[in-house]
Formats: sequence, C-alpha cells, structure tokens
Amino acid sequence: AQSVTQLDSQVPVFEEAPVELRCNYSSSVSVYLFWYVQYPNQGLQLLLKYLSGSTLVESINGFEAEFNKSQTSFHLRKPSVHISDTAEYFCAVTRSSNDYKLSFGAGTTVTVRA
Amino acid sequence: DTGVSQNPRHKITKRGQNVTFRCDPISEHNRLYWYRQTLGQGPEFLTYFQNEAQLEKSRLLSDRFSAERPKGSFSTLEIQRTEQGDSAMYLCASSLSESSYGYTFGSGTRLTVV
Repeated sequence: AQSVTQLDSQVPVFEEAPVELRCNYSSSVSVYLFWYVQYPNQGLQLLLKYLSGSTLVESINGFEAEFNKSQTSFHLRKPSVHISDTAEYFCAVTRSSNDYKLSFGAGTTVTVRA
Repeated sequence: DTGVSQNPRHKITKRGQNVTFRCDPISEHNRLYWYRQTLGQGPEFLTYFQNEAQLEKSRLLSDRFSAERPKGSFSTLEIQRTEQGDSAMYLCASSLSESSYGYTFGSGTRLTVV
C-alpha cells in the first residue's frame, strides 16, 4: 500500500514570497504523483502530476514540483505567491500499474498575507 | 460540460436516520469514485465504479453504506442508521479509464450528524 506524508499542516507566507510544500511518500512499487488544490468551498482541482519523463513538472499558474525517487519526495514550490494562492494543498499517490485509487496526504493549508 | 455535480451540498441529520447523496459525473466519464474527507485529513477512498459495475469497496465502507450506479450514469451513496462518526465531506470524482489519472472532483456533500 502507498502512503503520503505532508510535513507541514499550516504554512503562512507573505505575498510575493516563495513557498515550498513538502511531500514524502512510501511505496514498494512504481507510483504516479499528484498535487491537488482545494480553494475555500470548492472541490479538489488537479494542480500538476508526475507520470513519467522529466522529474520537474509545472502548472499553468507558476507552481512546480520535482519528483525525487531516491528521497521519495514530490515537493511543491512557487517562487512568488499571490493572495489568490490561499488554499489547501494535497499531495496524492497511486500505483502506476493501472491503479485507480488515490492515497492522499493530510493536506497543507497555505495562507498568503499582504 | 458542467463538471461533476453533487447534491445536496450540505445535509444535517439526526443520528439513526438514513441519508442519500447523489453524484452526476461528467457525461462521457466511465469511472466514478467516492471519497470521504474528515476535518484535518485528506480524502480517503471509499468505492469505485467502472460503468455500472462496483469494482472495489474500501474496508472503510461498513455494511451501513451502499453505493449504486444504475445504467452507468449518476451514482448514489446511502448511509443507513447514521452515526456521529459519519460526519464528513463526501466527495465524488469521475474520469475516463485511460485519462492518465485526470480525476475531476465535485464540490462534495458535507454531512453533519447531530
């Protein structure tokens, strides 16, 4: 079975500052990795995913995450945050062998202050 | 395409009552998933359908829970004899079976058992 650990439950950050959300996973098999974002009173939205290929993946709104197999990590970063990035962020993993179940971390709440 | 729709958005019920939630997936998506999210935790997998067939149920889904997807379209999740521990956000998601794991989540149904 897979499991995901998000090391920070709350991350306060000032606007235009960088942010890093840490995610570590454990799995005995090859995995796919995801970051989802949940804005207040909304559903989960896929932010970015790693399936194969380049270990650095990017989203359209400036986030990036790097898959590090040796450290079993998939940390999410953004060099300069906006107030609108205030949300809860979830890291998730699934087996790469045509699995369908996502295992989620507990989430990290990012609060961006002016 | 209006996304994944869940109804109701909120449900307050007395302990011991039965409740039913509905999920309308994206019309061409053949996979449908139910997850449960409690406060401070990430979503946990409950069950999954491919078309009308329920292919897996988590051990989290006790005998009081039943899910159906008649005709492979909308799905219902029923909880019988609700308990306070059932209070949670119930999330529905859908995808194509070869979608590279691009789930689309609904906004969820928040259940409060009093």
